[in-house]
Amino acid sequence: AQSVAQPEDQVNVAEGNPLTVKCTYSVSGNPYLFWYVQYPNRGLQFLLKYITGDNLVKGSYGFEAEFNKSQTSFHLKKPSALVSDSALYFCAVRDNGSSNTGKLIFGQGTTLQVKP
Amino acid sequence: SQTIHQWPATLVQPVGSPLSLECTVEGTSNPNLYWYRQAAGRGLQLLFYSVGIGQISSEVPQNLSASRPQDRQFILSSKKLLLSDSGFYLCAWSEFVAGAVNNEQFFGPGTRLTVL
Repeated sequence: AQSVAQPEDQVNVAEGNPLTVKCTYSVSGNPYLFWYVQYPNRGLQFLLKYITGDNLVKGSYGFEAEFNKSQTSFHLKKPSALVSDSALYFCAVRDNGSSNTGKLIFGQGTTLQVKP
Repeated sequence: SQTIHQWPATLVQPVGSPLSLECTVEGTSNPNLYWYRQAAGRGLQLLFYSVGIGQISSEVPQNLSASRPQDRQFILSSKKLLLSDSGFYLCAWSEFVAGAVNNEQFFGPGTRLTVL
């Protein structure tokens, strides 16, 4: 079965320090991976995606993600965290079993808390 | 550019009352459309998706139904609300391109539903 795991419910980091939010996946076929951010009482915002090519993907707001095929991981990173990065982060993978529907399988989310 | 609208933003309804939430997308044609529910600010549950007018797929059996009367309109309904229907409802769209595999979903602002 296809799935996405975000092993940490919450990640705490001090402002200015690097941050990592972890994601691992299990899919049949090629993985198409996405990261989203959600602020309180708002919809999800798209941050970045991996389709093919360079394993390091750069996205919005200074975020990047590293695709590692051997470890089936797609960790979200940022070199220097801001207090305003505090939010709920979702990793997702395209459901390869539902062609043309665009369905995504989401992880359970990780709350990022950046402290001043 | 594309825009997605949801209304109302918040709704308080008594148990047993009907429900109608509306989602519209502007600036694109023949999008894939999705309804999600998010409980307690955590994981997303895909409720329905649609790949075209009148084409609705249900992901989980429940007290809700969906309809797509126009290309860019997606409606979530219930005849009689239950307490368990409370939550944050999110509509999303993705671009349909034949053979494409990597189209991210774009989310609306959400509707906060409280059933009392």
